Amino acid sequence: GQNIDQPTEMTATEGAIVQINCTYQTSGFNGLFWYQQHAGEAPTFLSYNVLDGLEEKGRFSSFLSRSKGYSYLLLKELQMKDSASYLCAVRDRSSGGSARQLTFGSGTQLTVLP
Amino acid sequence: ETGVTQTPRHLVMGMTNKKSLKCEQHLGHNAMYWYKQSAKKPLELMFVYSLEERVENNSVPSRFSPECPNSSHLFLHLHTLQPEDSALYLCASSQGLGDNEKLFFGSGTQLSVL
Repeated sequence: GQNIDQPTEMTATEGAIVQINCTYQTSGFNGLFWYQQHAGEAPTFLSYNVLDGLEEKGRFSSFLSRSKGYSYLLLKELQMKDSASYLCAVRDRSSGGSARQLTFGSGTQLTVLP
Repeated sequence: ETGVTQTPRHLVMGMTNKKSLKCEQHLGHNAMYWYKQSAKKPLELMFVYSLEERVENNSVPSRFSPECPNSSHLFLHLHTLQPEDSALYLCASSQGLGDNEKLFFGSGTQLSVL
């Protein structure tokens, strides 16, 4: 099995930078995803990391350290529209079956204040 | 708009009712999924279909019955549900079942069982 931990809630100010952490425990790690979900809407893909390091995509960056079982999502120049839940999800080969491998965390609810 | 459409958006049903949730994807994908999202809990994988064949049935009670008539449509038939089944039911699709495949989600059906 696996355990994925991320903070339940975070608050930040418009224009600031926020880092959302995700730690995981798995015996067959095979990739980590971040999704964004606005209230009442579909989760949407943000990033995918399978190798160590930082992946940058505009205002959003995602970092992975496989040896530490750790990832973070970095949001720069925060905007009000970034208020949403951010979901960390891990692929684990040891779970068996291709689709069963993707396991989600409970999500981090980010509130951006003016 | 993610290319995955779910209907209805909201559903209230009694424990003796029979209802169906519908999902349609317009992305030409080969895999479709049902997830359950309860408040403050991680997304739970329920079923996966690949090329219209069920490839995962994640220990879901028989009161939930999926149907995939073709690669673009997925249904979840509901009967004799329990109040604890109240949740957001999300449909998703992906091109295939590869490790780096990202999921495209619908906006979900918010189900309330009375």
